[in-house]
Amino acid sequence: DQQVKQNSPSLSVQEGRISILNCDYTNSMFDYFLWYKKYPAEGPTFLISISSIKDKNEDGRFTVFLNKSAKHLSLHIVPSQPGDSAVYFCAASAAFGNEKLTFGTGTRLTIIP
Amino acid sequence: ETGVTQSPTHLIKTRGQQVTLRCSSQSGHNTVSWYQQALGQGPQFIFQYYREEENGRGNFPPRFSGLQFPNYSSELNVNALELDDSALYLCASRPTSGAHGVETQYFGPGTRLLVL
Repeated sequence: DQQVKQNSPSLSVQEGRISILNCDYTNSMFDYFLWYKKYPAEGPTFLISISSIKDKNEDGRFTVFLNKSAKHLSLHIVPSQPGDSAVYFCAASAAFGNEKLTFGTGTRLTIIP
Repeated sequence: ETGVTQSPTHLIKTRGQQVTLRCSSQSGHNTVSWYQQALGQGPQFIFQYYREEENGRGNFPPRFSGLQFPNYSSELNVNALELDDSALYLCASRPTSGAHGVETQYFGPGTRLLVL
């Protein structure tokens, strides 16, 4: 039972354009959501998070949007840069600070120069 | 550079054997979590240790066990290896004092285990 889903295994975007990565979840107990970025041979690194009491959180080029009624979140990267090429994981938690994260299967983002 | 190291980087074992994977965290990181990432999947939470005690577990059988030591190192032990245990095993640690959320969790590069 995949409680966090990333339905696009891969995405290619031109450098300078917007990258939009999507994530859906089914468990209504999730109230904290995170995005991680993973390069080959490295562990995931935290990018940005959002609590369920918000619908948007912004950090530089990265913005996460949360639609609770649709159980959907998205990560926007603008402008996209070649260094953004990586696998992006969406993760969810039932409480802030709870490491029992449930991850999606990831989306491989490729930025085309 | 996350300050979290794991050893070995790669390992090949035979079904039925036992394996120990190691993780070394930053000083002051009292909380360590282990994740299993199968090919094409996202990481799955195995368990968490806090001050040398198990403090939460995912849907993994008891043959997955762990240890945490006072020197900020920890181990994941898997007994009676099965073919499906082939995966990348990630450890992640974070400081527990203060208002530190899971965002402060740093992942190691992982150990890739292949069970034949």
